[in-house]
Amino acid sequence: SSELTQDPAVSVALGQTVRITCQGDSLRSYYASWYQQKPGQAPVLVIYGKNNRPSGIPDRFSGSSSGNTASLTITGAQAEDEADYYCNSRDSSGNLHVVFGGGTKLTVL
Amino acid sequence: QLQLQESGPGLVKPSETLSLTCTVSGGSISSSSYYWGWIRQPPGKGLEWIGSIYYSGSTYYNPSLKSRVTISVDTSKNQFSLKLSSVTAADTAVYYCARHGGDCSSTSCYNWFDPWGQGTLVTVSS
Repeated sequence: SSELTQDPAVSVALGQTVRITCQGDSLRSYYASWYQQKPGQAPVLVIYGKNNRPSGIPDRFSGSSSGNTASLTITGAQAEDEADYYCNSRDSSGNLHVVFGGGTKLTVL
Repeated sequence: QLQLQESGPGLVKPSETLSLTCTVSGGSISSSSYYWGWIRQPPGKGLEWIGSIYYSGSTYYNPSLKSRVTISVDTSKNQFSLKLSSVTAADTAVYYCARHGGDCSSTSCYNWFDPWGQGTLVTVSS
């Protein structure tokens, strides 16, 4: 079982805004990072830290955090954003162990 | 541009040891700023962190796998490796290697994996 909880599936209409959430006690102490994974491909980092985007990631991707919940927001979702999204952070043990959320499948309608 | 590539057998028998190597190109594994990690993904399921290693050899592992996992580093070859012992069918997965970074801002800390290798499917079967 994962210490980070994500909704299994979320859908959004093309061009609309969608928020994907990640909940866990460790998020009160650590920021989450977010990954996009398309079928048959390796995950790609899209957000890290408070709200940082690696080079090449569109600015429609943004991150935020409040309490025990981290969020990935896609503003103006595109068809190519349809993918699985995973959050990752440290666990709540204080031992720097790494955990991933169970993933959210995003469907763009 | 930093690239990582996993290599190793695609088929391992139950009870045997799974061995994979990750070759890093376009940068040095001896960078003082990063760890190097292994993550796996069973077919149709989510991501699971296995463990991470620093170029000095310092490691930390997923507690659920710690008794079976060994991660090592060879800085002369710019490689790091994974050994998972006593495998069962539950260890069948795509195994990824990735650079593992992290930092702290004024308010909190974070970690990330980037870039990732393309992944290699390891099937445990007799």
